Amino acid sequence: SQTIHQWPATLVQPVGSPLSLECTVEGTSNPNLYWYRQAAGRGLQLLFYSVGIGQISSEVPQNLSASRPQDRQFILSSKKLLLSDSGFYLCAWYRDRAPDRGYTFGSGTRLTVV
Amino acid sequence: SQQGEEDPQALSIQEGENATMNCSYKTSINNLQWYRQNSGRGLVHLILIRSNEREKHSGRLRVTLDTSKKSSSLLITASRAADTASYFCATDGGYGNNRLAFGKGNQVVVIP
Repeated sequence: SQTIHQWPATLVQPVGSPLSLECTVEGTSNPNLYWYRQAAGRGLQLLFYSVGIGQISSEVPQNLSASRPQDRQFILSSKKLLLSDSGFYLCAWYRDRAPDRGYTFGSGTRLTVV
Repeated sequence: SQQGEEDPQALSIQEGENATMNCSYKTSINNLQWYRQNSGRGLVHLILIRSNEREKHSGRLRVTLDTSKKSSSLLITASRAADTASYFCATDGGYGNNRLAFGKGNQVVVIP
């Protein structure tokens, strides 16, 4: 079966500290992977997506970066966190096979920058 | 990019009642999807409706799509307390690479 793992579940980091969030997918190969951020009470904002190893596309300019060192691994990073980086971060992969075509999301990481 | 936009009102209903929420979008789409999010959790895919479909059912869920009005509705029949969640619509507007544009979500509270 196909699963997606995301960790950590919660994180409290001081301003200016680095960040690394990891997402891995099992049971599929060459998935399209996505990082979304959800601010409190708001919808999801697409940050990055990747269609293959080493291929990263950024949707919005920001303090974050992403990398895909392996086929089923997607990492979200920052060298120096800002207060505005606080939010709920979600990793997802797109299952492009009927009848369940759509995103499968990880359980999310709640990041609080203090 | 295009955004799905749910009717922003929060919904509070009694268990057993039906819950309806709406979503509008601005440009043409390939498909529209609905997701559920329980508090503090990831989103769960509920249903996908293609642009050439008008209605789709999945269990207690009924989705309609009106491309002429650029709108969709999600109906949950015979609601249960476990249906309490936020519901998001997301549009595939052909942005490429299966990117979706999500709305802000509609919170539904089902009172037992």
